[in-house]
Amino acid sequence: EVQLVESGGDWVQPGGSLRLSCAASGFTVSNYYMSWVRQFPGKGLDWVSVIYTRGSTLYAASVKGRFTISRDSSKNTLYLHMNSLRTEDTAVYFCARGGNGTTLDSWGRGTLVTVSS
Amino acid sequence: DIVMTQSPLSLPVTPGEPASISCRSSQSLLDSDGYNFLDWFLQRPGQSPQLLIYLGSHRASGVPDRFRGSGSGTDFTLEISRVEAEDVGVYYCMQNLQTPLTFGGGTKVEIK
Repeated sequence: EVQLVESGGDWVQPGGSLRLSCAASGFTVSNYYMSWVRQFPGKGLDWVSVIYTRGSTLYAASVKGRFTISRDSSKNTLYLHMNSLRTEDTAVYFCARGGNGTTLDSWGRGTLVTVSS
Repeated sequence: DIVMTQSPLSLPVTPGEPASISCRSSQSLLDSDGYNFLDWFLQRPGQSPQLLIYLGSHRASGVPDRFRGSGSGTDFTLEISRVEAEDVGVYYCMQNLQTPLTFGGGTKVEIK
């Protein structure tokens, strides 16, 4: 069974940093496109980043230069490193299997990031 | 970026009755191989989004056949033939033709 479990969400002050993790089971992360998607409080969904099977990455304009997506094959885990956090980054962050050209067919339960002074 | 527009915003439904949600994209989602890169998701209260329909009209594994996706190019529809209580939640369409992936604003389905 495919399972994705996010962790690492926390409260952080503006300008701070955080690393989110997404532990996968039931499949191999490096064999799939993997994405991060966030959901602002009470609102819709916003795609953040994708990492491709060959390791290349893409980002939404709103996070480019501040966020970094990566994976650790030995741990079968996806990461999102977030720097220079802003209040507008406050959201629940989901990891999902898939990306452009392949649907997001499995999602984790999400982890809450709150950026506030 | 491709803009996705859903309607209606809210949809009160009676159990056993049909329901329909529309999704429109700002540019065609039909690629040269004939695939429409349009997916539908349901987010039940307190849960993460769940894939219902991919490539415009293909039901995901385990999705009941009362859900049907249709459309091509820029206009798509999700139909529920007979709504059940477990179908309440917010429905999103999403294009995955190109990055950034973009979502519709959501349609909240609730029981009358």
